[in-house]
Amino acid sequence: QSALTQPRSVSGSPGQSVTISCTGTSSDVGGYKYVSWYQQHPGKAPKLTIYDVSKRPSGVPDRFSGSKSGNTASLTISGLQAEDEGDYYCCSYAGSYTGVLFGGGTKLTVL
Amino acid sequence: QVQLQESGPGLVKTSQTLSLTCTVSGASIGRAGYYWSWIRQHPGKGLEWIGYIYYNGDTFYNPSLKSRVTISSDTSKKQFSLKLNSVTAADTAVYYCARDTSNYYDPSGHLRGMGWFDPWGQGTLVSV
Repeated sequence: QSALTQPRSVSGSPGQSVTISCTGTSSDVGGYKYVSWYQQHPGKAPKLTIYDVSKRPSGVPDRFSGSKSGNTASLTISGLQAEDEGDYYCCSYAGSYTGVLFGGGTKLTVL
Repeated sequence: QVQLQESGPGLVKTSQTLSLTCTVSGASIGRAGYYWSWIRQHPGKGLEWIGYIYYNGDTFYNPSLKSRVTISSDTSKKQFSLKLNSVTAADTAVYYCARDTSNYYDPSGHLRGMGWFDPWGQGTLVSV
């Protein structure tokens, strides 16, 4: 099964908000509430940023929020800061045959 | 604090078997509730889920890799391992181990990890 679809890149200025979309199908994003998001800085391991569509792990700022509508999930980062720059990946459960799917990743640039 | 650390050869010859071990500290891999997972990232590319093992030995693999993958565990050593056979250059990647903290029944009645990976190991580059 193909990876979930994310924009290759997004950008925003400090203080602004950006939204990253993650589009799948009714067999993955649209079929389950199990969407998560990961932040990855260069040379580092990914870090869980959002789980269960909209929940934040302890230590993740409330500037990060997640949502889902139909087959598309979204990650919104408000009040952009320089340290938010990096790659972001969405992830969804995709059923008992396919397992877990990741998106292709989105590079966030803070201008 | 739970920590994971990958170890294994950084270079594997074509057609041979890639073998990696993940050592877990701060948690028991013999307890229910977590799925001990392997994920890889091809150079400059996105993430690919390889599979996981549950505390009772149940495994679940990416169907595209299933014929070549085995994940096993040794609870006494607090380790779980990945074997990928018949490797080619396409298997060159950074390999991560991670803990999946989700644990739900899917609609087909299977108890599954749903892809909430936290924490991750630092990753290890394996070149073929």
